[in-house]
Amino acid sequence: GESVGLHLPTLSVQEGDNSIINCAYSNSASDYFIWYKQESGKGPQFIIDIRSNMDKRQGQRVTVLLNKTVKHLSLQIAATQPGDSAVYFCAENGSSNTGKLIFGQGTTLQVKP
Amino acid sequence: DAGITQSPRHKVTETGTPVTLRCHQTENHRYMYWYRQDPGHGLRLIHYSYGVKDTDKGEVSDGYSVSRSKTEDFLLTLESATSSQTSVYFCAIGPGVVYEQYFGPGTRLTVT
Repeated sequence: GESVGLHLPTLSVQEGDNSIINCAYSNSASDYFIWYKQESGKGPQFIIDIRSNMDKRQGQRVTVLLNKTVKHLSLQIAATQPGDSAVYFCAENGSSNTGKLIFGQGTTLQVKP
Repeated sequence: DAGITQSPRHKVTETGTPVTLRCHQTENHRYMYWYRQDPGHGLRLIHYSYGVKDTDKGEVSDGYSVSRSKTEDFLLTLESATSSQTSVYFCAIGPGVVYEQYFGPGTRLTVT
């Protein structure tokens, strides 16, 4: 079946370092991907998205890379701050054209001061 | 939270009772979604709506029904709550099928 997974459940980084969160997806028909951040007790917050006609997209301190050959997605956070501590989810649209998203399990990012 | 409110934010109810959760948006987005979030399962889609009175099932729709009589409101009903429906429920909205979804603050439901 369709699935979106993450390589590491927890990532611990030093404040000021760059963070890289990885995600593998299984459906080659997916053409839209999103990264979300979820802080404790809150709803997921949209960070950045990318479509399959792109390999890279940059936002404020974040970059998403898409490698369609190996079906891999990554989120890079520059100069990680304590406020970046959260669970990060990737999601893909799968093979449907209904707006449904398939979410991964999430990676916990811990930022050490 | 992108103009999305959910009510109630917390609810404790007994097994067998009906429960209705409400999602209200002020963004005029066409698409609305209900997800549940459980440890070890991540976010799973329950039902979604692609317009007023237009709804469809997600991957975990058994035991749930939805209604959308206005663009801004999307209701999720548990006809007879069970302990397995204890979860955190999130509503999300989006402008289209290949666009981002914005999530509400969530409702924590406990079924005893």
